[in-house]
This record gives sequence, structure tokens and C-alpha cells, in this order.
Amino acid sequence: DTGVSQDPRHKITKRGQNVTFRCDPISEHNRLYWYRQTLGQGPEFLTYFQNEAQLEKSRLLSDRFSAERPKGSFSTLEIQRTEQGDSAMYLCASSKTGDNSPLHFGNGTRLTVT
Amino acid sequence: AQSVTQPDIHITVSEGASLELRCNYSYGATPYLFWYVQSPGQGLQLLLKYFSGDTLVQGIKGFEAEFKRSQSSFNLRKPSVHWSDAAEYFCAVSTGNQFYFGTGTSLTVIP
Repeated sequence: DTGVSQDPRHKITKRGQNVTFRCDPISEHNRLYWYRQTLGQGPEFLTYFQNEAQLEKSRLLSDRFSAERPKGSFSTLEIQRTEQGDSAMYLCASSKTGDNSPLHFGNGTRLTVT
Repeated sequence: AQSVTQPDIHITVSEGASLELRCNYSYGATPYLFWYVQSPGQGLQLLLKYFSGDTLVQGIKGFEAEFKRSQSSFNLRKPSVHWSDAAEYFCAVSTGNQFYFGTGTSLTVIP
């Protein structure tokens, strides 16, 4: 168990630029989640995958956000035309299938939009 | 709708004192409940989980939590707090596919 890995740890970008984050889940986990966390708040659900299928997407997620998990292993989260309000910590988590399987989190990617 | 409430935004305790962090949930079925801890700039680490059975569950780092269905609560406790316990604590409820987190309680430990 090497844990959930996220890259990069930090990203500073200018408003209007596109950014892409990568997440490598624990290898035997077939569920992968993306969350966003702002200061003083808990993680806010963005989307989740079971294997390569994106099963749910938050209605709060604008069309500028897209996520993929092409081979059911790593995932990418892309934000197009970034806005200052996108500044946050983006957390990836993975789990096994099963109602009682907990989430295992990566250390997150801190995005700052200037 | 599912939700989690952590009434205490911030708590300060002295090192060696006992700790209780409150969590109330709203969910129509039998809940799957979790406590996570987050250090600054880090992801969330699982402390403990409850699915069924014994309502008092033990976790890592000396933490425990008690599930009380009648009160819709899942409070986290520790008998003696260490300075290294200073962090943000999140309670979460799972519906099976989806996890809902509270807004967290920030713990400060003073010498």
C-alpha cells in the first residue's frame, strides 16, 4: 500500500489559464473521488469514478471542470479558464467497492489563481 | 438529505486533558460513520469507523468514538490529549457511494 499520490502539490496559475492535476490511487482500489476544500471547510464532493466510469458529478461543478480515469487507474482533473474562486485544495481519495470501505486521501494539490 | 454537523468550530484543551469532539448526522438509514484528522497542508487520515455492532469503536492514536442512534451522534473522545493531536478533525457519513463531511473542528493543544 503506497498510498494515494497527487501531483503537483502546489500550482500557481493566472486567471484564465487551464490547469490539470493528476491522482494515482491505491492500486487495488477501484473507486476514485475528487473533492475540493477551502479554508475552514470540509471536503466538498466534485465527482467519483468506479473503474473508468464516472458515476456521479456534483451539480455544483461547472462545465469548466472535467475529470477522466481512462484506464481505471490514475485520474486527471482539469480546470479550464481558471477563476480566482477556483483557488482551493483539491483532494483525491480512493476506496474499494463496498458500503463500509473508507476513503483513503492523498495530500492534495493546492491551487492558487492570481 | 444527508448531512453532518460539527457544532464546535474550534476547541482548545490543555495537554493531558480529556477531549470530546461532537458530531451529529442526518441520514435515514443505518449510517456508516467516520472520523478523519487533517494536519496543515495534508490530506485526511482515517482515525476510526463505525458500521454496526458495538457502539463504542476504537481507533488509532488512542481515539475512540461512540455511536448513539437516539441522538444521531458520533462523538470522538480521547482520555489524554497530546500536543501532536493539534489538527483539524472531520466527521463524515457515508451512504455507500457518497461521503458527506462536516465543516470540521480545529483543535489547539496548550502546554
